[in-house]
Amino acid sequence: AQSVTQPDIHITVSEGASLELRCNYSYGATPYLFWYVQSPGQGLQLLLKYFSGDTLVQGIKGFEAEFKRSQSSFNLRKPSVHWSDAAEYFCAVDPTGNQFYFGTGTSLTVIP
Amino acid sequence: NAGVTQTPKFRVLKTGQSMTLLCAQDMNHEYMYWYRQDPGMGLRLIHYSVGEGTTAKGEVPDGYNVSRLKKQNFLLGLESAAPSQTSVYFCASTTGNSYEQYFGPGTRLTVT
Repeated sequence: AQSVTQPDIHITVSEGASLELRCNYSYGATPYLFWYVQSPGQGLQLLLKYFSGDTLVQGIKGFEAEFKRSQSSFNLRKPSVHWSDAAEYFCAVDPTGNQFYFGTGTSLTVIP
Repeated sequence: NAGVTQTPKFRVLKTGQSMTLLCAQDMNHEYMYWYRQDPGMGLRLIHYSVGEGTTAKGEVPDGYNVSRLKKQNFLLGLESAAPSQTSVYFCASTTGNSYEQYFGPGTRLTVT
């Protein structure tokens, strides 16, 4: 079955530490790939997206993500986490060009 | 630009009551979407529209109806609300060729 998997429900990191959030998908072809962030009580904000080309994409707020076709993964990274990064992070894929499928999300806690 | 707005922000319904959620966007986007967000489930697509006058079913369409009479508006209706429809509902829109979805702030619906 087609799916988007975020294996980590919750992650806690110290401020200033590096971060990696995992995302795997199972679709036949390479879909469009996205990472969104949701702060408490808010809508979703796009962090970055991958359509084609360079497999390392840069986004807003210092985030980056790497597409690995062989692993069907699109992991999100940040070298140094700030307290304001505490939020829920969603990976999403669009296999057809007009429908998104979201992962179940990873909740990030940042401790001082 | 207001972006994507949703009305109302909060609503409490009794089982069997009906209501309509309104989504409006001022970005001249062709595509519009309705999602529901439940704890541990991520966002799931209810219905979507690829243009004025068109609608299509998403992942979880049962119990909901939609209409897109005007390009800027996308309405989500619950004809007979059930407790299982307690959720946070998000509307989103996109141009259709950028594939970046812009989200509204959400509507929190409780069905008792």
